Amino acid sequence: EDKVVQSPLSLVVHEGDTVTLNCSYEVTNFRSLLWYKQEKKAPTFLFMLTSSGIEKKSGRLSSILDKKELFSILNITATQTGDSAIYLCAVVPGGGTSYGKLTFGQGTILTVHP
Amino acid sequence: TAGITQAPTSQILAAGRSMTLRCTQDMRHNAMYWYRQDLGLGLRLIHYSNTAGTTGKGEVPDGYSVSRANTDDFPLTLASAVPSQTSVYFCASRPGGSPDTEAFFGQGTRLTVV
Repeated sequence: EDKVVQSPLSLVVHEGDTVTLNCSYEVTNFRSLLWYKQEKKAPTFLFMLTSSGIEKKSGRLSSILDKKELFSILNITATQTGDSAIYLCAVVPGGGTSYGKLTFGQGTILTVHP
Repeated sequence: TAGITQAPTSQILAAGRSMTLRCTQDMRHNAMYWYRQDLGLGLRLIHYSNTAGTTGKGEVPDGYSVSRANTDDFPLTLASAVPSQTSVYFCASRPGGSPDTEAFFGQGTRLTVV
């Protein structure tokens, strides 16, 4: 069965700090990994990482994928209170018995204090 | 563009009653998903559908059923609700065809079973 584990489960920092969120996975026929940010309601898409794109960056957020060690990290530099949210990662299988399933981790609750 | 619409936004339901959570998308996405979100457990997959006419079981399917009569609609039915089904339910869709696509989420349905 596919498995996605995120750590830490929660994190409290002050504005200006840099944070690193972790996502490890076990999935047959791995194809891609997705990062989402969830504030009050629906998760919103941040990044997709695949074998052809193992590093992504957007402003203060960046993410890398290590397909050998089966993990990804999401970095946020110079954090702001608006970064407070639940961060979710999910894996997408490319085929096999898990085809079609989109499996999420437990999420990391990030709180940024002023 | 409406994207994904879930209804109702919230509901209080007596234990033992049945209920259908509605999900409609106007993006012609092939794949659709139902998740429940509970604190500390992230998003857990209930059922999914890769294309109209097909459905599959996710991680926590017991007590829930789905149907996919057409591309746009993916209703989730609780035949006889129990308090442990109190949760926030999210519907999502993805273009499918290629695994290199992100999923889009509805705004969620908050269900309380009393």
